[in-house]
Amino acid sequence: ILNVEQSPQSLHVQEGDSTNFTCSFPSSNFYALHWYRWETAKSPEALFVMTLNGDEKKKGRISATLNTKEGYSYLYIKGSQPEDSATYLCAFIEADYKLSFGAGTTVTVRA
Amino acid sequence: GAVVSQHPSRVICKSGTSVKIECRSLDFQATTMFWYRQFPKQSLMLMATSNEGSKATYEQGVEKDKFLINHASLTLSTLTVTSAHPEDSSFYICSANPVGETQYFGPGTRLLVL
Repeated sequence: ILNVEQSPQSLHVQEGDSTNFTCSFPSSNFYALHWYRWETAKSPEALFVMTLNGDEKKKGRISATLNTKEGYSYLYIKGSQPEDSATYLCAFIEADYKLSFGAGTTVTVRA
Repeated sequence: GAVVSQHPSRVICKSGTSVKIECRSLDFQATTMFWYRQFPKQSLMLMATSNEGSKATYEQGVEKDKFLINHASLTLSTLTVTSAHPEDSSFYICSANPVGETQYFGPGTRLLVL
């Protein structure tokens, strides 16, 4: 089992504030990194598929960066809203498409 | 953290045969487990919720007679793909959570139907 770690495990954010959290993964045998927004018992919603070192992706108020050499990715939420409350998962995909998930960062946005 | 295992990790089978995939929670008990399916370059899709001691709950569009789920104990759920066809080839993943904790995913099972 690969060591894919997300930190922090949970965080609380005041509405309107910005926040970010981390996914760290092995720096070898990298193929891609996925970020998902997930509510339990629902299908995770894919946010980003990142493949190249230095990738920066943006979707609305959410953005992500990727550093494959040092093995980390940041997810940023700008101007948090209550609807951003969810668990954000990262998934590390190896060259043979083996997939390993982090445990997730649960974000709670307080109005 | 908690550990969820899946077996087998890869399986190749002939069209028309059935394949069983096991999902185990190794260090905790789980009354509920979730089964997902992922196609290459697409996100996970929830297939069904496996409930210990009762029938599974299937998502819309998932054939319950095609994907049989059995949750016979608090640490084991099985997914059987019956009469598999090439279009069933995919990556199947399960998840479970200790009480009060986040979901932990299994490593997945890659199924290839020839």
